Amino acid sequence: AQSVSQHNHHVILSEAASLELGCNYSYGGTVNLFWYVQYPGQHLQLLLKYFSGDPLVKGIKGFEAEFIKSKFSFNLRKPSVQWSDTAEYFCAVNLPSGTYKYIFGTGTRLKVLA
Amino acid sequence: NAGVTQTPKFQVLKTGQSMTLQCAQDMNHEYMSWYRQDPGMGLRLIHYSVGAGITDQGEVPNGYNVSRSTTEDFPLRLLSAAPSQTSVYFCASSSRTGGDTEAFFGQGTRLTVV
Repeated sequence: AQSVSQHNHHVILSEAASLELGCNYSYGGTVNLFWYVQYPGQHLQLLLKYFSGDPLVKGIKGFEAEFIKSKFSFNLRKPSVQWSDTAEYFCAVNLPSGTYKYIFGTGTRLKVLA
Repeated sequence: NAGVTQTPKFQVLKTGQSMTLQCAQDMNHEYMSWYRQDPGMGLRLIHYSVGAGITDQGEVPNGYNVSRSTTEDFPLRLLSAAPSQTSVYFCASSSRTGGDTEAFFGQGTRLTVV
C-alpha cells in the first residue's frame, strides 16, 4: 500500500533560521505531490503542489519543495522562517489515475521562536 | 465563493448517540472525502466519493456511514458514537478534470464523545 513518511514530528527553530522538512513516499508510479499547512485552529491550506515539469516547485509565503524521483522524496524548504510560520505541515500524495485518493503523512509541528 | 462548508464546528455527544456531520461544496467537484485528524496520526481517510451515487470506504470506515445523493453534499453519519471517535473531522473536495487534483478542505468539526 502507498504510504507517506514525515520523519520530523516536531521542529523548533528561531526566526531567520532555515527550514527543511522531509517527506518520502512509497509508490513506484506517477504521483501528484502536495504540501499543506495547518495554522493553529484552522483548516488545511495548500502551500504548493507538484504534478509534472520542473522538480523545484515554488509555493506561497516563500516556501519551495524539490521532487527527487530517484529518492521518492518531496522535501519542503524555506530559507528564513518567521514566527508566523508556526503551524503543522503535511505532505500528501495522490495518484493521477483511479480514485484520486489522498494519502497524508503524519505531519510535522513547527514552532518558530521569536 | 464559499468553497467547502462544514457544520457544525463543534459538537459534544454522549456515547451511543448518533449524529450527522454536514459537508457541502459549491465548486462542482466530483470527488469528496472525509478525514479524521488525530494527534501524531495525520489525516486518515474515512470514506470518499467519486461522484453522486458512488461511495467507497477509506482507511478507517468502521462506525461511519456516508451517502452522496447530490454533487454538492456529502454528509457523514455516526451511527452510535464512541469515545474513540473523538477527533477533528475534515471534509475535502477536488476536481477530477484538468489534471489539477488539489484538495480543498472545510474548516473542520471538532467532535468530543463523552
